[in-house]
Amino acid sequence: EAQVTQNPRYLITVTGKKLTVTCSQNMNHEYMSWYRQDPGLGLRQIYYSMNVEVTDKGDVPEGYKVSRKEKRNFPLILESPSPNQTSLYFCASNQHDSNQPQHFGDGTRLSIL
Amino acid sequence: AQTVTQSQPEMSVQEAETVTLSCTYDTSESDYYLFWYKQPPSRQMILVIRQEAYKQQNATENRFSVNFQKAAKSFSLKISDSQLGDAAMYFCAYRSYTLTGANSKLTFGKGITLSVRP
Repeated sequence: EAQVTQNPRYLITVTGKKLTVTCSQNMNHEYMSWYRQDPGLGLRQIYYSMNVEVTDKGDVPEGYKVSRKEKRNFPLILESPSPNQTSLYFCASNQHDSNQPQHFGDGTRLSIL
Repeated sequence: AQTVTQSQPEMSVQEAETVTLSCTYDTSESDYYLFWYKQPPSRQMILVIRQEAYKQQNATENRFSVNFQKAAKSFSLKISDSQLGDAAMYFCAYRSYTLTGANSKLTFGKGITLSVRP
């Protein structure tokens, strides 16, 4: 089954404790992306990757890091989380051709205390 | 930069009735894609319908159809014969046309919460 898998689904942690949200896709997609969803703001792109070792900033990259060492994986790293990073996070992937729809993971709810 | 506006934060519809969700966008591009996504309480992002800007014909998927007005930059979603399972948040989204080598990100509106009354 074609899917994008995120882990964990839920996480409550404290300010400053490094965390990683993993994302994996099994569709051999080149393009992967992270979004955060906040009430009244919709979804906003954090970082994206167009292929292995190719990443770039989205609209709200501050406080986040990513890496793309393998085509299927695109982890999101919060090295020193802060309460303003409490949000719902989505990973998505698609083929480069923008005619193809993006496939979304099921979301990760992060709470930073 | 492109922007997507959903001005109605909430709407309500009676079961079996028809409801229209509004969306406008701003872009200087001539080729692009527009999407409606549904987000039920489970939080999944589910693609409802997609429209290519170069197509004049409005997209339709079963009970869901769009009214795409390119000159007015308007992209509304009509849900016919509303069902209880249609209750969710709905997002309108824009994506630039690109084949390779560019960020094919989605630009989302703020979303609208649709409730369905039995």
